[in-house]
Amino acid sequence: KNEVEQSPQNLTAQEGEFITINCSYSVGISALHWLQQHPGGGIVSLFMLSSGKKKHGRLIATINIQEKHSSLHITASHPRDSAVYICAVISDFGNEKLTFGTGTRLTIIP
Amino acid sequence: DTAVSQTPKYLVTQMGNDKSIKCEQNLGHDTMYWYKQDSKKFLKIMFSYNNKELIINETVPNRFSPKSPDKAHLNLHINSLELGDSAVYFCASSHLATGGAYNEQFFGPGTRLTVL
Repeated sequence: KNEVEQSPQNLTAQEGEFITINCSYSVGISALHWLQQHPGGGIVSLFMLSSGKKKHGRLIATINIQEKHSSLHITASHPRDSAVYICAVISDFGNEKLTFGTGTRLTIIP
Repeated sequence: DTAVSQTPKYLVTQMGNDKSIKCEQNLGHDTMYWYKQDSKKFLKIMFSYNNKELIINETVPNRFSPKSPDKAHLNLHINSLELGDSAVYFCASSHLATGGAYNEQFFGPGTRLTVL
């Protein structure tokens, strides 16, 4: 079993819908990354958080350290949000190592 | 203006060859990483260097040898390429964590390696 699990694996929604992608992890962590991988392959960092909630435009990320769970929300989804969203954690072992989830493929239909 | 750049973008080669992938960052970061993304799109850390010193070395065959001539560059040399080495390799960089505060990583565009 992977240390970092994401759900759903695939998500198709209509433009304008509210999107939630979930990430659960089984190790103690120092921080959690949400990444976006475009269809062309490039990877962009969306958020890094270790507690609470962060918001950037239509994207919101939350984390609950006690429950070992994080969510990424997209409001007013748009076809350009179509991408793979990847959750990655930095363990609390003291190094910078990122452990990745398997990704969620999001498709927004116009 | 590219923050983290990799060359080449595509690399097609025969089994048994030796090849290198170069990575450069102009963000002033002190830590650089190599990741491998396999055919199932799963990413995994391979190496990490901080100020030219190796800090993370995952279970990677010793045919893979990272080299950091300075803290802005981290190159990946692969000897005796095998079919299973076919993947997309991503370089990334960040500032090393200080005082328990971790910093986000910035990724290069990736190098698609195909071994025939």
